[in-house]
Amino acid sequence: AQSVAQPEDQVNVAEGNPLTVKCTYSVSGNPYLFWYVQYPNRGLQFLLKYITGDNLVKGSYGFEAEFNKSQTSFHLKKPSALVSDSALYFCAVMAGSARQLTFGSGTQLTVLP
Amino acid sequence: ETGVTQTPRHLVMGMTNKKSLKCEQHLGHNAMYWYKQSAKKPLELMFVYNFKEQTENNSVPSRFSPECPNSSHLFLHLHTLQPEDSALYLCASSQDLDYRGETQYFGPGTRLLVL
Repeated sequence: AQSVAQPEDQVNVAEGNPLTVKCTYSVSGNPYLFWYVQYPNRGLQFLLKYITGDNLVKGSYGFEAEFNKSQTSFHLKKPSALVSDSALYFCAVMAGSARQLTFGSGTQLTVLP
Repeated sequence: ETGVTQTPRHLVMGMTNKKSLKCEQHLGHNAMYWYKQSAKKPLELMFVYNFKEQTENNSVPSRFSPECPNSSHLFLHLHTLQPEDSALYLCASSQDLDYRGETQYFGPGTRLLVL
């Protein structure tokens, strides 16, 4: 079985400060890890993914994520937050024989001006 | 977001109505998905189609009936729904199911309210 945990329902950060949205996973085998963002009344937008190779993955809108196999984590980061980054962020994983993405419960990011 | 479109964007229906949700993808993909997003819950995968064939049905009640006439179109037929079925229904597509690292692209969703 595969699972994803986003331990924080809500993250608040001041504009211009670095942000981190946490994600940990539990899988059998090598994971494929994804981050999506959802703005109000919109669908999910793909941000980035880790498949293999470099542990630091760069994605859209200045976001990046670091795959840490020993800690089974894939935290989303951005060096300088923007108010427009305020949204709901989802981590997702696929691994082993599974052909379905398993999503976390989401983290609401609020960037304060 | 124009890669995957969904209509209608909002739908209010009574428990005895029959309605359909439509999804269309313009990405040349072969796999399509229906998800249910309820408040405070993770996304729930409902159905998966690959090359028009249904490959997953995650114990979805029979009041939800999917249809995939071709690789570009996906429907979700609704009948005798319950108030707890009120949610955002998201459609997604990906190239196919052969490569597990494939990215899924989502439509904007249909916000359904069952009265």
